[in-house]
Amino acid sequence: DAGVIQSPRHEVTEMGQEVTLRCKPISGHNSLFWYRQTMMRGLELLIYFNNNVPIDDSGMPEDRFSAKMPNASFSTLKIQPSEPRDSAVYFCASTLWTGLEENIQYFGAGTRLSVL
Amino acid sequence: AQKVTQAQTEISVVEKEDVTLDCVYETRDTTYYLFWYKQPPSGELVFLIRRNSFDEQNEISGRYSWNFQKSTSSFNFTITASQVVDSAVYFCALRGTGANSKLTFGKGITLSVRP
Repeated sequence: DAGVIQSPRHEVTEMGQEVTLRCKPISGHNSLFWYRQTMMRGLELLIYFNNNVPIDDSGMPEDRFSAKMPNASFSTLKIQPSEPRDSAVYFCASTLWTGLEENIQYFGAGTRLSVL
Repeated sequence: AQKVTQAQTEISVVEKEDVTLDCVYETRDTTYYLFWYKQPPSGELVFLIRRNSFDEQNEISGRYSWNFQKSTSSFNFTITASQVVDSAVYFCALRGTGANSKLTFGKGITLSVRP
């Protein structure tokens, strides 16, 4: 079975440019999470969706960051305009949330973003 | 508030040594879940184990074993007879069951296994 698929794997862009990261969750999963990993702050949850609806975006650092989930099989994380401090590895994860038992979050391979 | 502490930041061992990675957590939830993830040099995060707070049995999977002690709020991970392929960053994580409870990660432990 395919796991969580993220694209691109690497992105290099210049300050001020728009960046869009993409994620395809595992088929059948109904919860999707976006994380950011940096040396200074470790792994941080940015936002998560249940059944395509954003539930908690309190981790989104600024208005420059936005996330959408137009359907159950696709999500985007957009940064506009990008800044050098946004350089990090961005992970997408998904799980099947039933409300009855904690399920395992499965992670994609990540997108390594470098903003010059 | 939830917190996961991985006090060890880097560990270096020689192949075939046993190594224990420590994890201490804090939560006010009575029901919670603990996880270990592995991040090899290639960068992906690989799920290793999940443990719920009601199950204090230790678990063994091949060379891997986990020791969950509720009394000390610890969930330690031991690799027996380490191998070079075990070199990775290992993350301990905690998720409570309160509304909007999030998966909280520790800072990670970088394990280097030398041949």
